[in-house]
Amino acid sequence: DAGITQSPRYKITETGRQVTLMCHQTWSHSYMFWYRQDLGHGLRLIYYSAAADITDKGEVPDGYVVSRSKTENFPLTLESATRSQTSVYFCASIQGGQETQYFGPGTRLLVL
Amino acid sequence: QKEVEQNSGPLSVPEGAIASLNCTYSDRGSQSFFWYRQYSGKSPELIMSIYSNGDKEDGRFTAQLNKASQYVSLLIRDSQPSDSATYLCAVNRDYGGSQGNLIFGKGTKLSVKP
Repeated sequence: DAGITQSPRYKITETGRQVTLMCHQTWSHSYMFWYRQDLGHGLRLIYYSAAADITDKGEVPDGYVVSRSKTENFPLTLESATRSQTSVYFCASIQGGQETQYFGPGTRLLVL
Repeated sequence: QKEVEQNSGPLSVPEGAIASLNCTYSDRGSQSFFWYRQYSGKSPELIMSIYSNGDKEDGRFTAQLNKASQYVSLLIRDSQPSDSATYLCAVNRDYGGSQGNLIFGKGTKLSVKP
């Protein structure tokens, strides 16, 4: 019962580099979400997806790109990382018709 | 701008006491309300959801909703040191639209002292 996993769990990168954070869920949940969590801001929605090939912007999408070619995967790419993108990133999923979000363990990203 | 407000705390209560956590929201049309618990260094986990005015009880937890006052609260009875965590209030952002599109408050840190 793997549930929802994220990789890597920790990542250090440099300004300007491209970084991809992976999210994988084994439940075949239709909806998936990416959040970032920062001190003083709480959890903020970056992007979400209602199904494969359907994605939409959340509250703070600038500087991020997502794709969802398969239901179980929802990668988040930082095209050119900036220091302000240093954060903890959480992926979450939800089954259609339900409202309980299940969160992955998080990825701690440091941009130097 | 839809907002969810919580007192950041820390809220400190003695073991066995009732902890009361509060949340207000700005959008009168909001219909779904959630409380998540987040231990330090861990991911949030859902502990309560509430959709109708009044109280909803689940074990030691009671969620209270007052839509007229745009107020949601969480009561934890017989607080235990293991309840020490940050509690996040969340409100559905897009009722009638995509599911699970939540706005989170910044969280209230609860500390239960033995």
